[in-house]
Amino acid sequence: EAQVTQNPRYLITVTGKKLTVTCSQNMNHEYMSWYRQDPGLGLRQIYYSMNVEVTDKGDVPEGYKVSRKEKRNFPLILESPSPNQTSLYFCASSQNPQGLRQPQHFGDGTRLSIL
Amino acid sequence: RKEVEQDPGPFNVPEGATVAFNCTYSNSASQSFFWYRQDCRKEPKLLMSVYSSGNEDGRFTAQLNRASQYISLLIRDSKLSDSATYLCVVKGEDSSYKLIFGSGTRLLVRP
Repeated sequence: EAQVTQNPRYLITVTGKKLTVTCSQNMNHEYMSWYRQDPGLGLRQIYYSMNVEVTDKGDVPEGYKVSRKEKRNFPLILESPSPNQTSLYFCASSQNPQGLRQPQHFGDGTRLSIL
Repeated sequence: RKEVEQDPGPFNVPEGATVAFNCTYSNSASQSFFWYRQDCRKEPKLLMSVYSSGNEDGRFTAQLNRASQYISLLIRDSKLSDSATYLCVVKGEDSSYKLIFGSGTRLLVRP
């Protein structure tokens, strides 16, 4: 089954404790992306990757890091989480980055709470 | 001004009603447009792409007006299962690799 898998689904942690949210897709997609969703603000892009070892900042990259060492994986790293990073996070992938005319496939979401 | 703007709603309609949402975008060079549906606490899922000539998929019709920079979604014969938030999504010019999401319009269909 074609899917985007995020882990963990839920996490409550404390300020400053490094965490990683994993994202994996089995569709051989080139393009992967991370979003956060907050009430009234919609989905905002954090980082995206057009292919292995190619990443770029989205609209709200501060406080986050990503890596793309393999095509299927695109982890999101919070080196020193803060309460304003409490949010619902989605990973997404799509087939071809050039036109982005293909739909994005989303993971189930990760709900992070930073105390 | 937000790059993609939607009326947050909620639109509260009876079953069987016809309802329409609009979405405006600020970048006139935008190339691709989509409507996504998102159920509460779930991931967004593509509902339909929006083509220049307009397109229909069953009870759903999408239209694009480039001159006025808006897209619309029309839902006919609303079902209870149509209750969700509808997200307008816009991709910029061809050199852009970003999708811009609207904050969504909430639809409630009542019996």
